[in-house]
Amino acid sequence: DQQVKQNSPSLSVQEGRISILNCDYTNSMFDYFLWYKKYPAEGPTFLISISSIKDKNEDGRFTVFLNKSAKHLSLHIVPSQPGDSAVYFCAASFAGANSKLTFGKGITLSVRP
Amino acid sequence: DTAVSQTPKYLVTQMGNDKSIKCEQNLGHDTMYWYKQDSKKFLKIMFSYNNKELIINETVPNRFSPKSPDKAHLNLHINSLELGDSAVYFCASSQETGYGYTFGSGTRLTVV
Repeated sequence: DQQVKQNSPSLSVQEGRISILNCDYTNSMFDYFLWYKKYPAEGPTFLISISSIKDKNEDGRFTVFLNKSAKHLSLHIVPSQPGDSAVYFCAASFAGANSKLTFGKGITLSVRP
Repeated sequence: DTAVSQTPKYLVTQMGNDKSIKCEQNLGHDTMYWYKQDSKKFLKIMFSYNNKELIINETVPNRFSPKSPDKAHLNLHINSLELGDSAVYFCASSQETGYGYTFGSGTRLTVV
Protein backbone atom coordinates (compact mmCIF):
# COMPACT_ATOMS: atom_id res chain seq x y z
CA ASP A 1 0.00 0.00 0.00
CA GLN A 2 1.32 3.37 -0.99
CA GLN A 3 1.26 5.71 1.96
CA VAL A 4 2.82 8.52 -0.07
CA LYS A 5 1.45 9.17 -3.53
CA GLN A 6 2.62 11.34 -6.35
CA ASN A 7 -0.05 10.80 -8.94
CA SER A 8 1.34 12.89 -11.75
CA PRO A 9 4.37 11.26 -13.37
CA SER A 10 5.62 14.39 -15.07
CA LEU A 11 5.32 18.16 -15.31
CA SER A 12 6.62 20.57 -17.93
CA VAL A 13 6.84 24.32 -17.31
CA GLN A 14 8.36 27.32 -19.01
CA GLU A 15 11.46 28.88 -17.50
CA GLY A 16 10.56 31.72 -15.15
CA ARG A 17 7.09 30.36 -14.39
CA ILE A 18 5.95 28.57 -11.27
CA SER A 19 6.26 24.80 -10.88
CA ILE A 20 3.78 23.14 -8.51
CA LEU A 21 4.48 19.55 -7.55
CA ASN A 22 1.82 17.71 -5.59
CA CYS A 23 1.93 14.89 -3.09
CA ASP A 24 -0.78 13.08 -1.13
CA TYR A 25 -0.44 10.82 1.87
CA THR A 26 -2.72 8.43 3.68
CA ASN A 27 -1.30 8.23 7.20
CA SER A 28 -2.30 11.21 9.33
CA MET A 29 0.34 10.27 11.93
CA PHE A 30 3.29 11.33 9.82
CA ASP A 31 5.40 13.95 11.61
CA TYR A 32 7.72 15.15 8.87
CA PHE A 33 7.45 15.63 5.15
CA LEU A 34 10.44 16.09 2.90
CA TRP A 35 11.18 16.74 -0.73
CA TYR A 36 14.18 15.23 -2.45
CA LYS A 37 15.56 16.07 -5.87
CA LYS A 38 17.29 13.52 -8.07
CA TYR A 39 19.36 13.93 -11.21
CA PRO A 40 20.10 10.93 -13.47
CA ALA A 41 22.84 8.61 -12.20
CA GLU A 42 22.94 10.41 -8.86
CA GLY A 43 21.38 9.78 -5.49
CA PRO A 44 18.45 11.86 -4.20
CA THR A 45 19.47 15.07 -2.46
CA PHE A 46 17.50 16.79 0.27
CA LEU A 47 15.67 19.90 -0.84
CA ILE A 48 13.25 21.13 1.80
CA SER A 49 11.15 19.77 4.64
CA ILE A 50 8.16 20.68 6.78
CA SER A 51 7.01 19.56 10.18
CA SER A 52 3.42 18.46 10.62
CA ILE A 53 2.85 21.34 13.04
CA LYS A 54 3.47 23.91 10.31
CA ASP A 55 1.61 24.69 7.12
CA LYS A 56 4.35 26.43 5.18
CA ASN A 57 8.12 26.42 4.91
CA GLU A 58 10.14 28.56 2.56
CA ASP A 59 13.73 28.37 1.39
CA GLY A 60 14.69 30.71 -1.41
CA ARG A 61 12.80 29.75 -4.55
CA PHE A 62 11.31 26.68 -2.89
CA THR A 63 8.20 26.67 -0.71
CA VAL A 64 6.40 23.66 0.68
CA PHE A 65 2.78 23.89 1.74
CA LEU A 66 1.08 21.34 3.98
CA ASN A 67 -2.68 20.84 4.19
CA LYS A 68 -3.18 18.30 6.96
CA SER A 69 -6.95 18.12 6.64
CA ALA A 70 -6.58 17.14 3.00
CA LYS A 71 -3.45 15.04 3.64
CA HIS A 72 -1.80 16.95 0.85
CA LEU A 73 1.43 18.81 0.39
CA SER A 74 2.86 20.71 -2.51
CA LEU A 75 6.23 22.06 -3.54
CA HIS A 76 6.30 25.42 -5.32
CA ILE A 77 9.33 26.48 -7.28
CA VAL A 78 9.36 30.05 -8.43
CA PRO A 79 10.85 31.14 -10.71
CA SER A 80 11.59 27.79 -12.33
CA GLN A 81 15.00 27.38 -13.94
CA PRO A 82 16.27 24.81 -16.47
CA GLY A 83 18.60 23.44 -13.77
CA ASP A 84 15.53 22.47 -11.75
CA SER A 85 14.78 19.75 -14.31
CA ALA A 86 15.01 16.54 -12.29
CA VAL A 87 12.91 13.91 -10.55
CA TYR A 88 11.32 15.15 -7.32
CA PHE A 89 10.43 12.70 -4.58
CA CYS A 90 8.03 13.42 -1.77
CA ALA A 91 8.76 11.54 1.46
CA ALA A 92 7.27 11.26 4.93
CA SER A 93 8.33 9.90 8.30
CA PHE A 94 7.35 9.53 11.92
CA ALA A 95 9.31 11.05 14.76
CA GLY A 96 11.17 8.78 17.11
CA ALA A 97 13.59 5.91 17.09
CA ASN A 98 13.65 3.30 14.33
CA SER A 99 11.80 5.55 11.94
CA LYS A 100 12.26 5.53 8.18
CA LEU A 101 11.46 7.68 5.19
CA THR A 102 8.59 6.48 3.02
CA PHE A 103 8.86 7.79 -0.53
CA GLY A 104 6.44 8.49 -3.33
CA LYS A 105 7.37 7.31 -6.81
CA GLY A 106 8.56 10.72 -7.93
CA ILE A 107 7.59 13.27 -10.54
CA THR A 108 9.79 14.30 -13.45
CA LEU A 109 9.97 18.06 -13.82
CA SER A 110 11.11 19.55 -17.12
CA VAL A 111 11.75 23.27 -17.27
CA ARG A 112 11.82 24.55 -20.85
CA PRO A 113 14.19 27.41 -21.67
CA ASP B 1 34.96 14.60 -0.29
CA THR B 2 32.13 12.22 -0.98
CA ALA B 3 29.80 11.99 2.02
CA VAL B 4 28.22 8.62 1.21
CA SER B 5 30.06 6.48 -1.28
CA GLN B 6 28.94 3.21 -2.82
CA THR B 7 30.90 0.74 -4.87
CA PRO B 8 30.53 -0.44 -7.51
CA LYS B 9 28.42 2.04 -9.45
CA TYR B 10 27.44 -0.57 -12.02
CA LEU B 11 27.24 -4.32 -11.58
CA VAL B 12 26.27 -6.80 -14.28
CA THR B 13 26.16 -10.43 -13.27
CA GLN B 14 24.57 -13.74 -14.14
CA MET B 15 21.70 -15.39 -12.36
CA GLY B 16 22.76 -17.53 -9.46
CA ASN B 17 25.88 -15.54 -8.64
CA ASP B 18 26.65 -13.95 -5.28
CA LYS B 19 27.61 -10.28 -5.17
CA SER B 20 28.29 -7.54 -2.64
CA ILE B 21 27.78 -3.78 -2.66
CA LYS B 22 29.79 -1.65 -0.28
CA CYS B 23 28.81 1.62 1.36
CA GLU B 24 30.79 4.03 3.49
CA GLN B 25 29.85 7.38 5.03
CA ASN B 26 32.17 10.00 6.46
CA LEU B 27 29.49 12.19 8.01
CA GLY B 28 29.65 10.67 11.48
CA HIS B 29 26.00 9.62 11.21
CA ASP B 30 24.69 6.93 13.50
CA THR B 31 22.15 5.36 11.14
CA MET B 32 22.60 3.82 7.70
CA TYR B 33 20.07 2.44 5.25
CA TRP B 34 19.69 0.41 2.10
CA TYR B 35 16.94 1.41 -0.32
CA LYS B 36 15.94 -0.29 -3.55
CA GLN B 37 14.54 1.57 -6.55
CA ASP B 38 12.78 -0.89 -8.79
CA SER B 39 11.61 -0.58 -12.37
CA LYS B 40 8.49 1.28 -11.22
CA LYS B 41 10.78 3.90 -9.68
CA PHE B 42 9.61 3.42 -6.11
CA LEU B 43 12.28 3.92 -3.47
CA LYS B 44 11.65 1.24 -0.87
CA ILE B 45 13.58 0.69 2.33
CA MET B 46 15.24 -2.66 2.79
CA PHE B 47 17.34 -2.36 5.94
CA SER B 48 18.41 0.15 8.54
CA TYR B 49 21.29 -0.05 11.00
CA ASN B 50 21.89 2.17 14.00
CA ASN B 51 25.39 1.98 15.46
CA LYS B 52 25.95 -1.44 13.85
CA GLU B 53 22.64 -2.78 15.15
CA LEU B 54 19.88 -3.85 12.77
CA ILE B 55 16.76 -1.81 13.50
CA ILE B 56 14.67 -2.13 10.34
CA ASN B 57 14.35 -5.26 8.24
CA GLU B 58 11.55 -4.95 5.74
CA THR B 59 10.13 -7.92 3.89
CA VAL B 60 13.28 -8.77 1.99
CA PRO B 61 14.28 -12.28 0.86
CA ASN B 62 16.84 -14.04 3.03
CA ARG B 63 19.21 -13.96 0.07
CA PHE B 64 19.88 -10.34 1.02
CA SER B 65 22.15 -9.95 4.03
CA PRO B 66 23.39 -6.61 5.30
CA LYS B 67 26.56 -6.34 7.34
CA SER B 68 27.76 -3.37 9.35
CA PRO B 69 31.34 -3.81 10.59
CA ASP B 70 31.25 -0.32 12.13
CA LYS B 71 28.87 2.60 12.09
CA ALA B 72 30.55 4.14 9.04
CA HIS B 73 30.04 1.09 6.84
CA LEU B 74 27.01 -0.87 5.69
CA ASN B 75 27.51 -3.52 3.06
CA LEU B 76 24.88 -5.52 1.22
CA HIS B 77 25.50 -9.10 0.18
CA ILE B 78 23.14 -10.85 -2.19
CA ASN B 79 23.19 -14.62 -2.70
CA SER B 80 21.82 -16.57 -5.64
CA LEU B 81 20.92 -13.50 -7.69
CA GLU B 82 17.64 -13.55 -9.61
CA LEU B 83 16.42 -11.52 -12.58
CA GLY B 84 14.01 -9.66 -10.29
CA ASP B 85 16.90 -8.34 -8.23
CA SER B 86 17.81 -6.00 -11.08
CA ALA B 87 17.36 -2.50 -9.69
CA VAL B 88 19.24 0.51 -8.42
CA TYR B 89 20.34 0.14 -4.81
CA PHE B 90 20.92 3.27 -2.76
CA CYS B 91 22.78 3.54 0.49
CA ALA B 92 21.95 6.43 2.81
CA SER B 93 22.84 7.72 6.24
CA SER B 94 21.29 10.09 8.76
CA GLN B 95 21.93 11.40 12.24
CA GLU B 96 18.28 11.06 13.21
CA THR B 97 16.21 8.13 12.03
CA GLY B 98 13.55 9.08 9.52
CA TYR B 99 14.97 12.51 8.76
CA GLY B 100 17.77 14.25 6.89
CA TYR B 101 19.04 11.37 4.79
CA THR B 102 22.19 11.74 2.70
CA PHE B 103 22.19 9.30 -0.18
CA GLY B 104 24.96 7.68 -2.12
CA SER B 105 24.90 7.83 -5.92
CA GLY B 106 23.47 4.34 -6.26
CA THR B 107 24.55 0.97 -7.62
CA ARG B 108 22.78 -0.21 -10.75
CA LEU B 109 22.57 -3.99 -10.56
CA THR B 110 21.66 -5.89 -13.70
CA VAL B 111 21.13 -9.63 -13.49
CA VAL B 112 21.22 -11.45 -16.82
